[in-house]
Amino acid sequence: EIVLTQSPTTTAASPGEKVTITCLASSSVSDMYWYQQKSGASPKLLIYSTSNLASGVPDRFSGSGSGTSYSLTINTMEAEDAATYYCQQWSSNPLTFGSGTKLEIK
Amino acid sequence: EIQLQESGPGLVKPSQSLSLTCSVTGYTITSGYDWSWIRKFPGNKMEWMGYISNSGSTNYNPSLKIRISITRDTSKNQFFLQLNSVTTEDTATYYCARFGYSEDYFDYWGQGVMVTVSS
Repeated sequence: EIVLTQSPTTTAASPGEKVTITCLASSSVSDMYWYQQKSGASPKLLIYSTSNLASGVPDRFSGSGSGTSYSLTINTMEAEDAATYYCQQWSSNPLTFGSGTKLEIK
Repeated sequence: EIQLQESGPGLVKPSQSLSLTCSVTGYTITSGYDWSWIRKFPGNKMEWMGYISNSGSTNYNPSLKIRISITRDTSKNQFFLQLNSVTTEDTATYYCARFGYSEDYFDYWGQGVMVTVSS
């Protein structure tokens, strides 16, 4: 099983600040997917195939990476971005999720 | 509009079976895609449990393989989760979701149902 380790576990950012969340895989994966989950809601797809923005997602979000290291960047933090973020892979069965990063607004 | 809705008991006793239903509207589950169950534990850990494909084949997380069964009722456009011999460690919020046809991601999710395992 591929283990996905996210960092930081928890972080806070001020409006306008740049935020980067990292996802490290225990083995190489071909692509990474990112979800946002707000309190009381189900997860929402943000990024697919490492760097593609899902429909309706603001372009302040971006994804990058390869091999065992991937990242999600929020270019300018907004209050509505406060949520928990998860990476996900299925290069290898079983499908696994990252450990989660809770992002708060300062 | 595609919608998924989980239903089932919110409380299950240890050693019993957990049974949940996912009702899908706006898309026919035999038309395509894979239909998954995912759970989120207290403390944020998320686990993919398994899926049933549009053709009816299944794929389970090996960690659950001896306890899990995912089935469907195509006449009602529903699919089901059964998890046997539950313990308190199965306490979680359970989600059903549609898994991408040509992409490896979940594009539609239910709202989730909280299940507590307790005597």
